[in-house]
Amino acid sequence: QVQLQESGPGLVKPSGTLSLTCTVSGGSISSSYWWSWVRQPPGKGLEWIGEIYHTGSTNFNPSLKSRVTISIDKSKNQFSLNMSSVTAADTAVYYCAREYYSNGRQWGYWGQGTLVIVSS
Amino acid sequence: QSALTQPASVSGSPGQSITISCTGISSDVGDYSYVSWYQQHPGKAPKLMIYDVNSRPSGVSNRFSGSKSGNTASLTISGLQAEDEANYYCSSYINSNTGVFGGGTKLTVL
Repeated sequence: QVQLQESGPGLVKPSGTLSLTCTVSGGSISSSYWWSWVRQPPGKGLEWIGEIYHTGSTNFNPSLKSRVTISIDKSKNQFSLNMSSVTAADTAVYYCAREYYSNGRQWGYWGQGTLVIVSS
Repeated sequence: QSALTQPASVSGSPGQSITISCTGISSDVGDYSYVSWYQQHPGKAPKLMIYDVNSRPSGVSNRFSGSKSGNTASLTISGLQAEDEANYYCSSYINSNTGVFGGGTKLTVL
């Protein structure tokens, strides 16, 4: 059973860079799935941030594309999110997720989520 | 891309059936069969309940079903139980290599 676990700082200063890592266990990150980041501001809905394939191909939410990079480290079975120039509006629970099967952006496997607060 | 439109809240009594709608446009819900639904209890990660419009992952109760007509997808929960009280989100593949969620619907079991 695939399991995902987010890790990273829980507090980031405004204008700084948010960096999170998702560690995958029970499966290979080199398998034929897209690996995504999704976030949820407190009390609000889900927002898809972007995704990466094991080849390094990426897709991003147009509203965040200018500030987001996603990378993959096959040797560690991890993928990472970097978001620059953060503001209080980026305060959210950040989830990493994997497709249920290889099509359609339907996420069947989720990490438990990690709260990131943007504050000085 | 715009979020898919869901009602903010729905409610029902135990044993009843409820339906949650998810309205998109022709380039998302209307064009693709990759519509999924997620259940989220407070403080927990989302859980996939329906994929490919009307398929259930293993372990999901058959009280949950999905359908689609035109640009609107629907999630129906039959035989409501107290444990079904949660937030529900729809999602659809769209044609520009991005993902989109609905705004979410809070289900209250009376």
